[in-house]
Amino acid sequence: EDQVTQSPEALRLQEGESSSLNCSYTVSGLRGLFWYRQDPGKGPEFLFTLYSAGEEKEKERLKATLTKKESFLHITAPKPEDSATYLCAVQSPDNTDKLIFGTGTRLQVFP
Amino acid sequence: DAGITQSPRHKVTETGTPVTLRCHQTENHRYMYWYRQDPGHGLRLIHYSYGVKDTDKGEVSDGYSVSRSKTEDFLLTLESATSSQTSVYFCACGGMNTEAFFGQGTRLTVV
Repeated sequence: EDQVTQSPEALRLQEGESSSLNCSYTVSGLRGLFWYRQDPGKGPEFLFTLYSAGEEKEKERLKATLTKKESFLHITAPKPEDSATYLCAVQSPDNTDKLIFGTGTRLQVFP
Repeated sequence: DAGITQSPRHKVTETGTPVTLRCHQTENHRYMYWYRQDPGHGLRLIHYSYGVKDTDKGEVSDGYSVSRSKTEDFLLTLESATSSQTSVYFCACGGMNTEAFFGQGTRLTVV
């Protein structure tokens, strides 16, 4: 069964304390992996797309990496405004563009 | 917000009544999706569309129907609302093999 698992469910960090979020997936033939950020009461906001193992993408304090079985979202020197839920999703292998989502990691960054 | 508008943003309805949620996009995206988001389940696909009048079921389609008569509009109908359909509903749009962009969501409460 195609599945996406994110860990940890919740993460509390002190401002400036770097860490990583994990997204492991089981899908036959990865077509694309996506990271989104979701603030309370809002829709998910697109961050990154990764297509092949070894690929990396960066945006401000965020860096996403991809291996054959998992992806990491590294957060360097986080600030309180980075607090949000981070969602990982993979494209369905059935040649449609449906996304299969994990349940997310809720990140809280304290000053 | 990638030109995606959902309406209404909030709705309270009674069990057994029909409800229609609307998604309108201005970016001419080919693909449109309806997801529901519930605690502990993440985002789950209800229905999707790959073109005008071309729709298909997602993983949680029972009790829901959709229609797409124009590229820009995708309607989700709860034929007879039940309490289990209380949720936050998100519309998303995208192209082939590209990221999906999400609307702001509709919070539906069935009493």
